[in-house]
Amino acid sequence: EAGVAQSPRYKIIEKRQSVAFWCNPISGHATLYWYQQILGQGPKLLIQFQNNGVVDDSQLPKDRFSAERLKGVDSTLKIQPAKLEDSAVYLCASSSVLAGVYNEQFFGPGTRLTVL
Amino acid sequence: EDQVTQSPEALRLQEGESSSLNCSYTVSGLRGLFWYRQDPGKGPEFLFTLYSAGEEKEKERLKATLTKKESFLHITAPKPEDSATYLCAVQAWGNNRLAFGKGNQVVVIP
Repeated sequence: EAGVAQSPRYKIIEKRQSVAFWCNPISGHATLYWYQQILGQGPKLLIQFQNNGVVDDSQLPKDRFSAERLKGVDSTLKIQPAKLEDSAVYLCASSSVLAGVYNEQFFGPGTRLTVL
Repeated sequence: EDQVTQSPEALRLQEGESSSLNCSYTVSGLRGLFWYRQDPGKGPEFLFTLYSAGEEKEKERLKATLTKKESFLHITAPKPEDSATYLCAVQAWGNNRLAFGKGNQVVVIP
């Protein structure tokens, strides 16, 4: 079974530029998550999708971050404009849902973003 | 707000020297406690889910236990390949969000 795919793996941009990350979840997983992991910290949830609808975006900085999941499969996360403090690893995860219960989340390799 | 505190932050072990990692948590109605392993430059890898106090799960040299306030990850006779950061996360009922701790960074020296 193929895992969660993410691209690019690394990205370096100047502050105030824009950047986009792509994620392809495990086949059949209805739920998709984007996390931000700052060096030395645990991952922090940014947004959760159930199929192509947003379930939780309470921790997403909506003035600069946006995400979409068209057709309930692939997802993109965008930052515009980027700030220095956005330097982090952006992780995508997916999980299945059974009888309303969300199962364990499986993570992709992440995209390491450096903002100069 | 759900909180997770992991200790120690960093641990160096000799190969074969067993030890335990601690995860203390506060959550409004625990649905599950999760342990993940993260290697440098990689995403977290799922290890265990624990659902109720008294539950235990094992995988090779790892054993996870759960009480009402904390979880332990016991590493028995570790090998260098067990070197990694171990992340603990909690999930509350009615909220699918995982709240992670900062992790326990483990280095096993041959």
